[in-house]
Amino acid sequence: KAGVTQTPRYLIKTRGQQVTLSCSPISGHRSVSWYQQTPGQGLQFLFEYFSETQRNKGNFPGRFSGRQFSNSRSEMNVSTLELGDSALYLCASSAREINTGELFFGEGSRLTVL
Amino acid sequence: GIQVEQSPPDLILQEGANSTLRCNFSDSVNNLQWFHQNPWGQLINLFYIPSGTKQNGRLSATTVATERYSLLYISSSQTTDSGVYFCAVYTGTASKLTFGTGTRLQVTL
Repeated sequence: KAGVTQTPRYLIKTRGQQVTLSCSPISGHRSVSWYQQTPGQGLQFLFEYFSETQRNKGNFPGRFSGRQFSNSRSEMNVSTLELGDSALYLCASSAREINTGELFFGEGSRLTVL
Repeated sequence: GIQVEQSPPDLILQEGANSTLRCNFSDSVNNLQWFHQNPWGQLINLFYIPSGTKQNGRLSATTVATERYSLLYISSSQTTDSGVYFCAVYTGTASKLTFGTGTRLQVTL
């Protein structure tokens, strides 16, 4: 079956703009979680959605938000972009909540903020 | 919060060699996974292993939850094994998945 699909794969924005990233999970998976990867901070948890409800949120400012739709697809949005938001954003899907679920990752969306 | 430490941070091997990567964590965990990040950035799921031992081809993993560590064994390494290996754990107290700092593996001919 198809894996986790993230779009767009690459994008360039300027400071102050906003961006929306999309993640389509594996068919039948109800959990979607998001992660930010930077050289300095490594891989950090952003948030988890399960059945359209945000279950947990990482230590990120309110500029980072997300949502999950009834078909389990998820979007994350970053408003008022800063240079430090340049990163690889990874989405993972799981059949169960991430506390006990096996995670499968997409290829990521690489964001560059100029 | 929970600390997840991986060792060694860097490892260079000749093709055909064996290696052991270690993941230490500071709290009891509900979930532990090993991933391989390929050069294009994708995290490939290797093992879901909150406890016990699993094997998949040349790779195997063992988690001793009571002693708070997990090991990933790579036998007969190949150049395609190059990349960064991460362990990630979930604890009830943190309520989030925490990644280790990774082990960067380079396999040379």
